[in-house]
Amino acid sequence: QKEVEQDPGPLSVPEGAIVSLNCTYSNSAFQYFMWYRQYSRKGPELLMYTYSSGNKEDGRFTAQVDKSSKYISLFIRDSQPSDSATYLCAMNGGNTGKLIFGQGTTLQVKP
Amino acid sequence: DVKVTQSSRYLVKRTGEKVFLECVQDMDHENMFWYRQDPGLGLRLIYFSYDVKMKEKGDIPEGYSVSREKKERFSLILESASTNQTSMYLCASKGQHAVSEQYFGPGTRLTVT
Repeated sequence: QKEVEQDPGPLSVPEGAIVSLNCTYSNSAFQYFMWYRQYSRKGPELLMYTYSSGNKEDGRFTAQVDKSSKYISLFIRDSQPSDSATYLCAMNGGNTGKLIFGQGTTLQVKP
Repeated sequence: DVKVTQSSRYLVKRTGEKVFLECVQDMDHENMFWYRQDPGLGLRLIYFSYDVKMKEKGDIPEGYSVSREKKERFSLILESASTNQTSMYLCASKGQHAVSEQYFGPGTRLTVT
C-alpha cells in the first residue's frame, strides 16, 4: 500500500463548478500537508499548506485536513479554465526535508 | 525571485550513453532533490541531498548516481542510459524547516533511444 493515495483522474468539470480533490494517507506521523499545482510542461508550484488538522482558505481555494480519517481535501470554488492543471498532494512528518507526494489529479475546467 | 534552473529542457540520448543533468538553485537551500515523473506513477524520488557532499537514496536510485560538490548545484548522472529511463526529471530545493516550501525547476524531458 502506498503511503499517499490520490485518484489520478482525469477530472473534467464545467466552468464555475466546485471541485473537490482528495488524498488519503497511512502514516499518522505526517503533520504538514501541502497542495502543489503543476501546469503542463512546468514544474509543480506550492499552492497551499496546512499544519495538523483544520481548514485553511485562500481566495477560491480551501484546504482541509482530517487527521482522524487520514484524509485531506482541496476545494476550488467557482473553477476557471486557468485552474486546469495537475494537483499533487504532499506531506511530511516534520523531521525530514523529504515530502511524500500523491500521484496527482489532472483537472480540466471547460469554458 | 527564487529560482531553480535545470541545464536542459529537452534531451535525447542513445542507449548506453552517460548522461548528466544539472540543477542549480539560488536560494542557499540545504536540501536538494531529484525526482522523475511518469504518467500514472506520479513523482518518484531518486536521490536527495541535505548538505554539500551528502546524499541519500530515494525510492528508485537504481541506475542513477548524484553529485553535490557545491551547495547550489546538484547533479544527476545516468551512468549508462537505458530506454526505461525515458522520463521527465524534476529537480527541487528546500530550506531546512519542515514547513518551508519545496521549489521545483522546470524539468528536463529526457528521451533515450
